[in-house]
Amino acid sequence: DTGVSQDPRHKITKRGQNVTFRCDPISEHNRLYWYRQTLGQGPEFLTYFQNEAQLEKSRLLSDRFSAERPKGSFSTLEIQRTEQGDSAMYLCASSLTGGLGQFFGPGTRLTVL
Amino acid sequence: KQEVTQIPAALSVPEGENLVLNCSFTDSAIYNLQWFRQDPGKGLTSLLLIQSSQREQTSGRLNASLDKSSGRSTLYIAASQPGDSATYLCAVRASNFGNEKLTFGTGTRLTIIP
Repeated sequence: DTGVSQDPRHKITKRGQNVTFRCDPISEHNRLYWYRQTLGQGPEFLTYFQNEAQLEKSRLLSDRFSAERPKGSFSTLEIQRTEQGDSAMYLCASSLTGGLGQFFGPGTRLTVL
Repeated sequence: KQEVTQIPAALSVPEGENLVLNCSFTDSAIYNLQWFRQDPGKGLTSLLLIQSSQREQTSGRLNASLDKSSGRSTLYIAASQPGDSATYLCAVRASNFGNEKLTFGTGTRLTIIP
């Protein structure tokens, strides 16, 4: 399968713990995006990378959130001191510069107890 | 700020019927519009992408149209099947350079009744 992959698919954690998610984009795609989706809503943009550079961050991305893409390949999204309001599906997407749309992974479902 | 609206929020139709899903957006300065399908608890599957210079795109039983000036897009599904049951999301990308994010609607949950 050469699509976008995400790991883990599900994560249950207790409030206050740190969690880290990984995204592997389609191999030739240089752009990578993170979105968050809560129940009954459309995905909301969090941040995006072109190669290893983080070019835009949403104000939704509080200082407890950090994303990296160290070698321009896979990306990680870390949430520190999780809160119940962080419970959501975290979606990763990738694309080519000037390419035809964004392609999404299966998502990581986070539940904060 | 771009806002995307999808009406209706939910739709149920008998198998075999043709149907139309609607998407409207407030800022007509878009680069492209993408329609996605999302099954419960899953990620998004891209169905069709329409560039701002295009009027429509077709893939199999799906046809998407775009009227940028009026801020509207429709997704037409012909001869609906139970397997088409899912949530359908539209998303727009702004046209200004460097603005890469997609702005999504809240989706239309479609149920095809066998």
